[in-house]
Amino acid sequence: EIVLTQSPGTLSLSPGERATLSCRARQSVRNNHLAWYQQKPGQTPRLLIYDASNRATGIPDRFSGSGSGTDFTLTISRLEPEDFAVYYCQQYGDIFGGGTKVEIK
Amino acid sequence: EVQLVESGGGLVQPGGSLSLSCAASGFTFSRNWMAWFRQAPGKGPEYMAKIKEDGSEEYYADSVRGRFTISRDNAKNSLYLHMNSLRAEDTAVYFCAKDGGWSLDYWGQGTLVTVSS
Repeated sequence: EIVLTQSPGTLSLSPGERATLSCRARQSVRNNHLAWYQQKPGQTPRLLIYDASNRATGIPDRFSGSGSGTDFTLTISRLEPEDFAVYYCQQYGDIFGGGTKVEIK
Repeated sequence: EVQLVESGGGLVQPGGSLSLSCAASGFTFSRNWMAWFRQAPGKGPEYMAKIKEDGSEEYYADSVRGRFTISRDNAKNSLYLHMNSLRAEDTAVYFCAKDGGWSLDYWGQGTLVTVSS
């Protein structure tokens, strides 16, 4: 039973392009307690966005989160080389979505 | 500087038990929910369990409820995960994480648990 569905599974883009990642919840996420993480190979997840739209400490402003209820979006306005990674959404600090891989086109 | 250091991983036979520890420093441990996650090779992070600041509430993923127990010792700034009835599918790197308020703002580097005969 999938609680959080992320799409697309893979996003192939070039540096400088805009990335739009989607996360859909099976049920409405109360108080928009939805977070986004970035994970690179061999590293632990890094918190990017909490409560749907708040950037975590030290996160560049090219990362932004939006949405409410069951539909949420992570946007990377202009991809930098270090942004190519896997991105996960998470609700209530526990259940993760399946992830979106952002790869270099 | 916030630090979370896991220990206790290793090789265990199916059906066996193992206890993990997480030593926390750099923040007021007793004021934060804490959680355990795991990540199998090539897979995404998977939530295991979380525990309230004072240890009075515990929550578990369906996959481990009844087999795993989370606990904490605020006097020792330590988090624990006791795992029973281990299965091959429990093989993963296990992480402890600090709950910054409905999201995990710090993670340890993990400890590898391998369940195999």
